[in-house]
Amino acid sequence: GENVEQHPSTLSVQEGDSAVIKCTYSDSASNYFPWYKQELGKGPQLIIDIRSNVGEKKDQRIAVTLNKTAKHFSLHITETQPEDSAVYFCAASYAGNMLTFGGGTRLMVKP
Amino acid sequence: DAGVIQSPRHEVTEMGQEVTLRCKPISGHDYLFWYRQTMMRGLELLIYFNNNVPIDDSGMPEDRFSAKMPNASFSTLKIQPSEPRDSAVYFCASSFPGAYEQYFGPGTRLTVT
Repeated sequence: GENVEQHPSTLSVQEGDSAVIKCTYSDSASNYFPWYKQELGKGPQLIIDIRSNVGEKKDQRIAVTLNKTAKHFSLHITETQPEDSAVYFCAASYAGNMLTFGGGTRLMVKP
Repeated sequence: DAGVIQSPRHEVTEMGQEVTLRCKPISGHDYLFWYRQTMMRGLELLIYFNNNVPIDDSGMPEDRFSAKMPNASFSTLKIQPSEPRDSAVYFCASSFPGAYEQYFGPGTRLTVT
């Protein structure tokens, strides 16, 4: 089955700095890679996703890159704000159904 | 849209009792997923349905767990009998026909004492 590794497990940045979270996956058949943000006491919220036919996708301050050859993908957050503080999860799947999640990254943005 | 609705939000029960968790997916979504989140194991897929039919239940930990979807707007996850190691947050998610994006509910925090 699929295995997703996520690093780092915790990340602390100053407000305004950039944050990068990296994930690797094992199954070359995976073609869908979403990123979720989870705030305390809430369910995961989809913030951006990418499919294997695209190398990069951007939405305002958030971007995701995918390297299919190396089987890794990354989340980039620019100009971080205190409200970006949360736990971020990457995931991988084939056709979007059986998502396998990474272990999560706790991002702390210091004002 | 109200989003995915789960009830109860919190459940505290004693070991050996039956627990039923409920989920209402987003209207029009035909896939429904049940996940469990723990510190030790992270987010795990337990089972998912398509058009009310269970497609894959390989993540269900043991026979004490069962899930049903009697109609397009309601699903239950039942644990009988419950054990302390079942303590976790259980999430329900749904997705639109032909779409990959899954939308999560707020979760049910289950504590088994």
